[in-house]
Amino acid sequence: NAGVTQTPKFQVLKTGQSMTLQCAQDMNHNSMYWYRQDPGMGLRLIYYSASEGTTDKGEVPNGYNVSRLNKREFSLRLESAAPSQTSVYFCASSAGQGLGYTFGSGTRLTVV
Amino acid sequence: KNEVEQSPQNLTAQEGEFITINCSYSVGISALHWLQQHPGGGIVSLFMLSSGKKKHGRLIATINIQEKHSSLHITASHPRDSAVYICAAPEGGSQGNLIFGKGTKLSVKP
Repeated sequence: NAGVTQTPKFQVLKTGQSMTLQCAQDMNHNSMYWYRQDPGMGLRLIYYSASEGTTDKGEVPNGYNVSRLNKREFSLRLESAAPSQTSVYFCASSAGQGLGYTFGSGTRLTVV
Repeated sequence: KNEVEQSPQNLTAQEGEFITINCSYSVGISALHWLQQHPGGGIVSLFMLSSGKKKHGRLIATINIQEKHSSLHITASHPRDSAVYICAAPEGGSQGNLIFGKGTKLSVKP
């Protein structure tokens, strides 16, 4: 029972490089989310997808794009990485907004 | 928009002690979430509650809707309980995405 699978676990990028973080869930959840976690701050929502075919901005969307490829997969893309995007990124899913959440194991991203 | 505050930020306890972590929120909610983040970074959902009390093993979560306050209790604490505990509430009160507190870092010493 995999739950939410997130890749990669670690990544180092140079400023200006691009990358895509992958997330897949096998629980048939409608809603998926991307968060970032920075020291001294709570999880902050980057983008979310309330259902297949829809995506919306969260609290801190600048510098990111997302794709809800199908019901299972929700990817996060950094087009031109900046040091301010150094963070730990978590993908999560839920049956609906406000319902129980399942989190991926996180991606530790460093931008130098 | 809901604001979620946790206290304390850091908590050190001796094995066997009774632990209480507090969470307050500003907008009436439909349900409050408690999560645990392990030292390795993984996050798991512990409770989702809308009233009264829920218990799972040595963990007990309570909520007072009128006072907009929830507590997470750990009985007979153990070093393996060392983790960051996070509460979260819907941003719009009854609906919407979750707003997360900054977390309480718990360290239980043997």
